[in-house]
Amino acid sequence: GIQVEQSPPDLILQEGANSTLRCNFSDSVNNLQWFHQNPWGQLINLFYIPSGTKQNGRLSATTVATERYSLLYISSSQTTDSGVYFCAVETGGTSYGKLTFGQGTILTVHP
Amino acid sequence: DAGVIQSPRHEVTEMGQEVTLRCKPISGHNSLFWYRQTMMRGLELLIYFNNNVPIDDSGMPEDRFSAKMPNASFSTLKIQPSEPRDSAVYFCASSFFGQGGTDTQYFGPGTRLTVL
Repeated sequence: GIQVEQSPPDLILQEGANSTLRCNFSDSVNNLQWFHQNPWGQLINLFYIPSGTKQNGRLSATTVATERYSLLYISSSQTTDSGVYFCAVETGGTSYGKLTFGQGTILTVHP
Repeated sequence: DAGVIQSPRHEVTEMGQEVTLRCKPISGHNSLFWYRQTMMRGLELLIYFNNNVPIDDSGMPEDRFSAKMPNASFSTLKIQPSEPRDSAVYFCASSFFGQGGTDTQYFGPGTRLTVL
């Protein structure tokens, strides 16, 4: 099956710093999503981004499907950005929306 | 919309007991997914349904686990008998799958299961 690798595995920042999280995948995909799991365990959608670039406030994401990677940018980080960031992909065929998740990047933002 | 609803939010039970987790997907969604999350194994897909039909249950760890979706607005995941190694957070998620592909997948708040 498809492999999804995220880097770095851990990231520690001071409040106000910028960061880039990367997601590499081993095959072509129909769909790519970024999620944030907050310290309370809730999984929240950030972006649905099979290709191109999207922005939402301080967060933006870019997926280059032909080169099989996606990037999540966090600017002016805040302590509330802490948690785990997951990339998940849906491959071709009749998958009915089945997602394969990466192992996540653990982000800690210190005040 | 209320989002994906799961119950109970926390469950503590003793080894050997039957556990039933419940999920109500977002109205209009036709794909439903059950995941398990542990520190050791990360987020694992257990089973998923499309239009109430189980599509792939290859992630179900063993015969002690079963899932049903009797209608478009309700699904259950049952563990019988439960074991301590089943302790985890169980998430339900839903999305819409159509001819144009898949829409965003939304997760419920999860059920934290502890088996003593």
